[in-house]
Amino acid sequence: QQQVKQSPQSLIVQKGGISIINCAYENTAFDYFPWYQQFPGKGPALLIAIRPDVSEKKEGRFTISFNKSAKQFSLHIMDSQPGDSATYFCAAKRPQGSYKLIFGSGTRLLVRP
Amino acid sequence: GAVVSQHPSWVICKSGTSVKIECRSLDFQATTMFWYRQFPKQSLMLMATSNEGSKATYEQGVEKDKFLINHASLTLSTLTVTSAHPEDSSFYICSDAREGEQFFGPGTRLTVL
Repeated sequence: QQQVKQSPQSLIVQKGGISIINCAYENTAFDYFPWYQQFPGKGPALLIAIRPDVSEKKEGRFTISFNKSAKQFSLHIMDSQPGDSATYFCAAKRPQGSYKLIFGSGTRLLVRP
Repeated sequence: GAVVSQHPSWVICKSGTSVKIECRSLDFQATTMFWYRQFPKQSLMLMATSNEGSKATYEQGVEKDKFLINHASLTLSTLTVTSAHPEDSSFYICSDAREGEQFFGPGTRLTVL
């Protein structure tokens, strides 16, 4: 119940295409779902996050779609660029004052020029 | 700019020695910080929660006597890997908890020879 399942493990997209990464969770107590971007040798950086009371959040080329009934959420990267090539992690957080995050397994994205 | 710093960014040590990694929260008084370990091509694994002024809370399977955590001030948490062995070689990342989110440091690459 504490797991967050992420797919695909790796993804290759042509420049200008749409990258889609999916995550699924079991625990309905999760109340915050962030996405992190990590470049090799660097720490993760918060990209975008959503709470379960909204179905979609968009920031620039990045969009989170959230399906509460299906317990799934996804990251869409529009007009993907070679600079987006990185590893992306979804995560989930439980409420009640806890900052602990449960991370997905990660998706390695390669955007070809 | 960066809100969490780590020092050193990389360290090489001999087997049996101890190594201390510092994590600083910039422009914020963090009562809670986290320590993660990340092996190549894997997700972040939470090691422990560092609490200012009290003992750290370790995740199951993490040896508290091997990974000593000290959070003596609101801006500094340290992780000491004692009697390091080659299997401790990994990427260690800290984060602080602020305003409902975690912000990660740039990570420390530890190599034990």
